[in-house]
Amino acid sequence: DTEVTQTPKHLVMGMTNKKSLKCEQHMGHRAMYWYKQKAKKPPELMFVYSYEKLSINESVPSRFSPECPNSSLLNLHLHALQPEDSALYLCASQSGFQETQYFGPGTRLLVL
Amino acid sequence: EDQVTQSPEALRLQEGESSSLNCSYTVSGLRGLFWYRQDPGKGPEFLFTLYSAGEEKEKERLKATLTKKESFLHITAPKPEDSATYLCAVRTNAGGTSYGKLTFGQGTILTVHP
Repeated sequence: DTEVTQTPKHLVMGMTNKKSLKCEQHMGHRAMYWYKQKAKKPPELMFVYSYEKLSINESVPSRFSPECPNSSLLNLHLHALQPEDSALYLCASQSGFQETQYFGPGTRLLVL
Repeated sequence: EDQVTQSPEALRLQEGESSSLNCSYTVSGLRGLFWYRQDPGKGPEFLFTLYSAGEEKEKERLKATLTKKESFLHITAPKPEDSATYLCAVRTNAGGTSYGKLTFGQGTILTVHP
């Protein structure tokens, strides 16, 4: 089983709202990732957590705040976003025994 | 700087017309090359991982191959349901850890007509 789940599927928020995206995996993977994907572009890495610690931050603005409460769960807290932050947000996870990253279905975010 | 280039940008095929997608890469130390399929509005679906030159992997109508400079995704007798964007990505030895960034190509949009 290589399933990564993400909620919600769709999210519409205003620029003053606070919201959170959630990602879950039960494969025992020890690394989890957040990617952002704009239309007709490939995914771009935002954050990497390995063993529940933030290991990579690709210079992401502070209005995006990641959190890894445990090895199965990854959150992305959103605050004061801009319309240009509208995109598909993808979560991925990876086992320590192979290089493959498995992606979730994504959350489609629209910032008004 | 690591670079991944996919060609063509778009490919239109008739059902049953076999073809290949190309992914050329310039990286400093390849840890793995990955092929994903992505349907509109959905997350990338994993297809193959290739680790070393000469390696080949197959799944149904798809076959992925790897050389020291490029990878090919061969599609044999495609069907309309194979229509999707195919993404190639690489992981390199940069950072020296097991976990790190995937560098993606821009993707090839495949359309298969009945």
